[in-house]
Amino acid sequence: EAGVAQSPRYKIIEKRQSVAFWCNPISGHATLYWYQQILGQGPKLLIQFQNNGVVDDSQLPKDRFSAERLKGVDSTLKIQPAKLEDSAVYLCASSLYRQQETQYFGPGTRLLVL
Amino acid sequence: KQEVTQIPAALSVPEGENLVLNCSFTDSAIYNLQWFRQDPGKGLTSLLLIQSSQREQTSGRLNASLDKSSGRSTLYIAASQPGDSATYLCAVTLGNRAGKSTFGDGTTLTVKP
Repeated sequence: EAGVAQSPRYKIIEKRQSVAFWCNPISGHATLYWYQQILGQGPKLLIQFQNNGVVDDSQLPKDRFSAERLKGVDSTLKIQPAKLEDSAVYLCASSLYRQQETQYFGPGTRLLVL
Repeated sequence: KQEVTQIPAALSVPEGENLVLNCSFTDSAIYNLQWFRQDPGKGLTSLLLIQSSQREQTSGRLNASLDKSSGRSTLYIAASQPGDSATYLCAVTLGNRAGKSTFGDGTTLTVKP
């Protein structure tokens, strides 16, 4: 069974530039999560999708971050414009359904904003 | 707001020692609790998931317990090995409709040969 795929693995941009991350969850998983992990901290949930609907985006900085999950499969997370404090690892995870199931994580995208 | 705390932040032990990692949470209305392992530069790997109705789960040398009333979970690692060196994170999922997960900041374990 293929795992959660993410790309790119690394990205370096200058502040005020835009960047996009892509995630392809495990086949058949209805729930998709985007997390932000700052060095030395645990992951913080940015947005959670159930199929192609948003379940929770309460911690997503909506003035600069956006995410979509078209057709309920893969997803894109965008930052525009980026700030220095956005430097972090962006992790995508999926689960078969909400709550009851184990979350499976991708390798993450490491973003450095200069 | 759910807060998850993991103490200690770092732990170093000699190979072969049994050890316990701690996780505490403030809101006991949880649906489940998961323990994850994270190796440097990698994503998270799920180790154990405990449903709120369960008291413990075991997998090989790992045993996780859950005490909802006191807001605590422990991860017990028996006969530690250098390959166990990693950061261990616990995540608590709320029992509401959204099922949002809150992570602790992790305990970084080093097992010395």
